[in-house]
Amino acid sequence: GESVGLHLPTLSVQEGDNSIINCAYSNSASDYFIWYKQESGKGPQFIIDIRSNMDKRQGQRVTVLLNKTVKHLSLQIAATQPGDSAVYFCAERSQGAGGTSYGKLTFGQGTILTVHP
Amino acid sequence: EAGVAQSPRYKIIEKRQSVAFWCNPISGHATLYWYQQILGQGPKLLIQFQNNGVVDDSQLPKDRFSAERLKGVDSTLKIQPAKLEDSAVYLCASSLRTSRETQYFGPGTRLLVL
Repeated sequence: GESVGLHLPTLSVQEGDNSIINCAYSNSASDYFIWYKQESGKGPQFIIDIRSNMDKRQGQRVTVLLNKTVKHLSLQIAATQPGDSAVYFCAERSQGAGGTSYGKLTFGQGTILTVHP
Repeated sequence: EAGVAQSPRYKIIEKRQSVAFWCNPISGHATLYWYQQILGQGPKLLIQFQNNGVVDDSQLPKDRFSAERLKGVDSTLKIQPAKLEDSAVYLCASSLRTSRETQYFGPGTRLLVL
C-alpha cells in the first residue's frame, strides 16, 4: 500500500552545522510533498512544500529536494540552531480521484532532530 | 490571525468511558481534519470535512468514533466506548478551501486511556 518512510529516526548535530533529513515515499502518483516540524506538546507546523513538477525549492534556511526517479525527498536546514530541535515529518498528498480536488495527506514516521549548543 | 484551537489539552479516562474533543478552525477555513497521532508515529487522518459535509472518513473506526461539524465551523470528535489503544494525541487541522492547500494544525488533545 501507500507509505512514506524515513531512513533515519534520529539525527544529532552541532549548532551551526547543516542538517539533512531524508524521506522515502512509495506512491508515484503523489503530486505534492510537505515537510512539517513538530515540537514537544505542539501540533505539526508547516515548513516548506514542493510540487512533483519541481526538483528543488528553497525557503529561509531550508531547502527541499525531490528526486522522483528514486522516490526520495530531503529537507536541508542550513546553520542549524537549537530552536530547530524537533521531530520532522514528511508528508505526501495523493492526487484526487475522479478529477476532484480532494487529495489525502499521508505522513511518514518522523525524524528526531537534536541540536547541541 | 488566531490559529486552530482545541480543547481540552489533556484528558485521562478509563477504558469503556466516553470522551469528546472540540476544535475551532481558523476563521474562514472551509476544510477541517481530525488526525490521530500515536506516540512515535506520524499523524493519521481520521476524518475530513468540507464545510459541514464529510469528504473522507474511511479510516474512522465508526463503531466507536463519531465526528460532526453541524454548522460548518466548530467540530467535535467523540469516542464511545474508549479502548486502551485509543491513547494518542488527537490533532485538528484546517485549510482554506480544499485539501490542496496548506493544512494548519492545532496543539492537539493528549488522551490517555487507563
